[in-house]
Amino acid sequence: DGGITQSPKYLFRKEGQNVTLSCEQNLNHDAMYWYRQDPGQGLRLIYYSQIVNDFQKGDIAEGYSVSREKKESFPLTVTSAQKNPTAFYLCASVGRTSGNTIYFGEGSWLTVV
Amino acid sequence: RKEVEQDPGPFNVPEGATVAFNCTYSNSASQSFFWYRQDCRKEPKLLMSVYSSGNEDGRFTAQLNRASQYISLLIRDSKLSDSATYLCVDADLFSGGYNKLIFGAGTRLAVHP
Repeated sequence: DGGITQSPKYLFRKEGQNVTLSCEQNLNHDAMYWYRQDPGQGLRLIYYSQIVNDFQKGDIAEGYSVSREKKESFPLTVTSAQKNPTAFYLCASVGRTSGNTIYFGEGSWLTVV
Repeated sequence: RKEVEQDPGPFNVPEGATVAFNCTYSNSASQSFFWYRQDCRKEPKLLMSVYSSGNEDGRFTAQLNRASQYISLLIRDSKLSDSATYLCVDADLFSGGYNKLIFGAGTRLAVHP
């Protein structure tokens, strides 16, 4: 079955560490997105990529980095520069092969300890 | 002004009630809208697309008003299982592909017995 896989589901980070969240899709979608969601809040866009080897900053890109070396993969690195990284992170993709429906991964919970 | 705005609620309604949510958007050129449902600590799931002529799926009706730049979601005969947060999305699609996916902050619905 086609879909998006995020890993890990739960991650603990020590202060000063970089961590990378994985996002893989087998839907042949061109566009992929990373969102952050804080408790009781909406989704805020971190980065998005419309095509391989290209990506754009979203509204809250500071302290995060991404790469898009393969169509299927869009990993997000939460760097030590991100001062409040504890949140729920969601990866999404969209493409004409799926009728423009937005598909989400199950999300990753990141906690700073 | 936010790109997509929703009344955060919560809307507390009894079972069987009819409830309506509105969502305003700022980009007059936007073409593609969706309603998503998000349960607590889960990823959003597609509820329905929003078509220009309005569309219905069982107890749910979505409408688009381009003149006033808002979309609406009507839920009839509310069930306890409808309790969730409802997110509207401006998918900002264009002929060349995909741009930002802009989410509203969500409207919380609580259906009680």
